Amino acid sequence: QVHLEQSGAEVKKPESSVRVSCKASGGTLKNYAISWMRQTAGQGLEWIGGIIPLFDSTDYEYSFRDRVSITADDSTTFLELSGLRSEDTAVYYCASTRFMTLVSYYESWGQGTLITVSS
Amino acid sequence: IVLTQSPGTLSLSPGERATLSCRASQRIIGNYVVWYQQKLGQAPRLLISDASTRATGIPDRFSGSGSETDFILTISRLEPDDFAVYYCQQHGSAPVTFGQGTHLEIK
Repeated sequence: QVHLEQSGAEVKKPESSVRVSCKASGGTLKNYAISWMRQTAGQGLEWIGGIIPLFDSTDYEYSFRDRVSITADDSTTFLELSGLRSEDTAVYYCASTRFMTLVSYYESWGQGTLITVSS
Repeated sequence: IVLTQSPGTLSLSPGERATLSCRASQRIIGNYVVWYQQKLGQAPRLLISDASTRATGIPDRFSGSGSETDFILTISRLEPDDFAVYYCQQHGSAPVTFGQGTHLEIK
């Protein structure tokens, strides 16, 4: 399975945007489907959306659809979330599956990126 | 699909048997339920897929069972390293969803 390395923690202002990266070390993302999740104390683990880089295909959870974008190149995937609010404070994870579908389980996870939204 | 895990917290001693429950609000297609272990400050780690298949490197004291709406993770003889939070996840229907977790703590 691929090893995933995420970008570092960030503090953002309300209404701003954040971009989190997730790099496959030593390999390509073309063999995987990548999902992004977030984890908060109140909401637990939530699926945000994902991308299948080989097909350049994306899908997003309905509640995030109007303010999220997930992109990828050969080795890195990016999550961009706009219109940040305090409720978006969470640890964001990327995770991979070898099954070319976004409706799957995850064999490898990034280490997580803490995003704090605060004025 | 909403997954409800119980109990929220389970207090046991090393050597005891742990039984964790995950109940779905509707039937899970294909029994596509997985279990993860998460320790503080770490990402989730895959334990069980397809309700009962251990992931690579997972010791046989971990076992999964169940079907349709009721799924169980059993840890037969708890070791100190097993005390963590456990999550179930379903991928039978989109979007994937997770249970809220069971915290397994040392008694």
